[in-house]
Formats: sequence, structure tokens, C-alpha cells
Amino acid sequence: GENVEQHPSTLSVQEGDSAVIKCTYSDSASNYFPWYKQELGKRPQLIIDIRSNVGEKKDQRIAVTLNKTAKHFSLHITETQPEDSAVYFCAASHTGGFKTIFGAGTRLFVKA
Amino acid sequence: DADVTQTPRNRITKTGKRIMLECSQTKGHDRMYWYRQDPGLGLRLIYYSFDVKDINKGEISDGYSVSRQAQAKFSLSLESAIPNQTALYFCATSVLGADSGGYNEQFFGPGTRLTVL
Repeated sequence: GENVEQHPSTLSVQEGDSAVIKCTYSDSASNYFPWYKQELGKRPQLIIDIRSNVGEKKDQRIAVTLNKTAKHFSLHITETQPEDSAVYFCAASHTGGFKTIFGAGTRLFVKA
Repeated sequence: DADVTQTPRNRITKTGKRIMLECSQTKGHDRMYWYRQDPGLGLRLIYYSFDVKDINKGEISDGYSVSRQAQAKFSLSLESAIPNQTALYFCATSVLGADSGGYNEQFFGPGTRLTVL
């Protein structure tokens, strides 16, 4: 069935360093790849997304890359800050799709 | 602000009890979802609905049922709760219209923490 694998499950970085989270999807029809951030005790919220017609998208310190051939996409956070500490979920779906498949999540710790 | 709300926020119950979790939204979205979150397993889809007359099973629907009472309300029921249904439950909405460009961003409620003893 459809699956999204996410790695690593836990990531600890020093403040100011970069963090990279990687995901792999199985459904070749997927063309929309959102990333959600869930702070402790809060609801998941969309922070950035990428569509299959582009290979990279950037929003300030956050960037996402997509390799459709390899079915890989990644989240890059530069100049990490303590407030970046959260659980991050990648996901995959397709236009008009009824379901969004989520990865298992990455718990990011940014040490001050 | 338009929002997604869930009640109750926390619930402790006993094995065998019937439990209903409620979700309401003022976003005007047509699609509503129930997810379950467990540590290390991410968000797994229980049920989803595109309108009042449309209900679909997700990947882990066994032991759960739903009711879409109105466009704005979507309830999740556990007919006979068991301990392995202890989890954090999220309701979510989405819309597939001009604003979304055909892409399915999910808007989550605050979650209901359910403990089954």
C-alpha cells in the first residue's frame, strides 16, 4: 500500500547548525508534499510544501527539495534556533487526492 | 478566526465503554478527517468524509465509527473502548477549491487525548 518513510526519528543539533530530515514515498502518483510542524502539546501546522513541478522551494530558513525519480524529498532548516524544536512530519498526496499519507515524524531538538 | 475545535480535550475511560469524540469547524471546508497519533507511528487515518452523505474508511477503521451530522460536524465513536485505543486523536479539515489550487492542505484541531484503562 501507500507508504511514506521518514528519517531520522530523532535529531539533535546545536543552535546555529543545519538540520535535514528525509522522506521517501511509494505512490508514484503523488505530486504534493507538505511538511507539518507540531510543537509540544500543539496541533500539527503546515510550514512549507512542494509540488511535483518544482525541484526546490525556499522560505527564509526552511527549504524543501524533491527528487521525483528517486521518490525522495527533504526538509532543510538552516541556522537552527531553540524554537525550531518540535516534531516534524512529512506527507504525500496527489491533486484531488482524498488521503494524505504521513511519515512517522522526526523529533528535532535544538540545543542552545 | 475560522477554526477547528474538538471536545473533549482529555478523556479517561474504562475498557468496554462507548466514547464519542466531537469535531466542529467554522472554516466552511467540505472535507473532514479523523486521525490517530501514536509515538513513532505518525498520524494514521481512521475515517474521512467529503460531505454529509459521504463516509470512507481509512487505514485503521476497525473498532471505530463516525457520523457526519452536518457539513461542520464530524464525530468519532469508539463502540467498546479497549486499552490499545489510548492515543491522541486529531480531527482535520481541508478544501479542494480555487484557493487550494487542487492541493490538499490539512487544518488540524487541537486534539483529544484519550486514555482507556
